[in-house]
Amino acid sequence: KNEVEQSPQNLTAQEGEFITINCSYSVGISALHWLQQHPGGGIVSLFMLSSGKKKHGRLIATINIQEKHSSLHITASHPRDSAVYICAVRSETSGSRLTFGEGTQLTVNP
Amino acid sequence: DTEVTQTPKHLVMGMTNKKSLKCEQHMGHRAMYWYKQKAKKPPELMFVYSYEKLSINESVPSRFSPECPNSSLLNLHLHALQPEDSALYLCASSQNALVGGGIGTGELFFGEGSRLTVL
Repeated sequence: KNEVEQSPQNLTAQEGEFITINCSYSVGISALHWLQQHPGGGIVSLFMLSSGKKKHGRLIATINIQEKHSSLHITASHPRDSAVYICAVRSETSGSRLTFGEGTQLTVNP
Repeated sequence: DTEVTQTPKHLVMGMTNKKSLKCEQHMGHRAMYWYKQKAKKPPELMFVYSYEKLSINESVPSRFSPECPNSSLLNLHLHALQPEDSALYLCASSQNALVGGGIGTGELFFGEGSRLTVL
């Protein structure tokens, strides 16, 4: 079992839909990152969380430390949101090392 | 300036060539990273520099040689690569790096990557 599990692996939505991507992890963490990667491109850091909830534009990220679970929500989805979304955790003992989930491929159709 | 700039964007090289990938940031970050990413896979950490000193080498073959000439620049020197080394090489930076534990190292800023093809 991977230390970081994301679901779903693939997600197709219609423009305007509310989207949720989930991330579960099995270790104690100091921080959790949500990252976005467009095809063939670099990675953009969306959020870094250690507790609670953060919001940026149409994106919301939440984390429940007790349940070892985080969610990334996209409201009013748009085709430009189509990308791979990656959850990555920094464990309490790993220092600079991130453990990455396998990513969620999101496709938003017009 | 919140950018990490990588050059070149694309590189094709033969197995006997010597080439370098470059990475630059002007955010005052003291930790810089090299990651390797194969298609449809998450990034794999290769090297971490902290305060211009190599702090993590994830058992990377010696045909990859990192260099951090100053706090803004990170190079990856490539020599005698194999076709299986073809991948997207990503540079990242963060405010600082804590090796071996700690309360966290801050948000990571990634470059656009250098896509390497080894023939």
